[in-house]
Amino acid sequence: KQEVTQIPAALSVPEGENLVLNCSFTDSAIYNLQWFRQDPGKGLTSLLLIQSSQREQTSGRLNASLDKSSGRSTLYIAASQPGDSATYLCAVIGYSGGSNYKLTFGKGTLLTVNP
Amino acid sequence: EPEVTQTPSHQVTQMGQEVILRCVPISNHLYFYWYRQILGQKVEFLVSFYNNEISEKSEIFDDQFSVERPDGSNFTLKIRSTKLEDSAMYFCASSADRAVNGYTFGSGTRLTVV
Repeated sequence: KQEVTQIPAALSVPEGENLVLNCSFTDSAIYNLQWFRQDPGKGLTSLLLIQSSQREQTSGRLNASLDKSSGRSTLYIAASQPGDSATYLCAVIGYSGGSNYKLTFGKGTLLTVNP
Repeated sequence: EPEVTQTPSHQVTQMGQEVILRCVPISNHLYFYWYRQILGQKVEFLVSFYNNEISEKSEIFDDQFSVERPDGSNFTLKIRSTKLEDSAMYFCASSADRAVNGYTFGSGTRLTVV
């Protein structure tokens, strides 16, 4: 059974700092990996999708890397801003039998960026 | 950018009552999902739906739950007799293919059972 772990559970940084969020997964046979942002009481906004054959994806100040063989992904946020404050969720898309795939989520990292 | 729309955003119901949560997936998507998140816990898979039938369901998705695509645009989750432990945020998601391009989630329905 796939397990996804995110470290740290919470992170507080001053504005402008670069930071790294970590995600690990137990079964490396994933199809791809998706990072989401969740604001308090709100929905899930997709940030980046990395295919299993890719090493990284970039969008603006965000860069996500994937090392499938070691079961790890990182989300790098450059020059953090107070508006980046949210919970960041890592989810792996894996084969679940038959012709089905599903997302397995980590518990998230709660990021606070202080002005 | 295309969105997944969920209604209502918040629903309060009495224990034992039936609730229907509604979703409008992205129009050209073929695969539909429900996930839920109990406060403080991980987002967890409930059910996937394709070609007008359930393709996979989790152990959470017992006989109290059902899903339906009543027309060409809506996708619903019905909870037949709500329990206190059904209180959670319910997310609908859709994808164009099974996994290649990832999933698009709606903004969720917060269900509170009292």
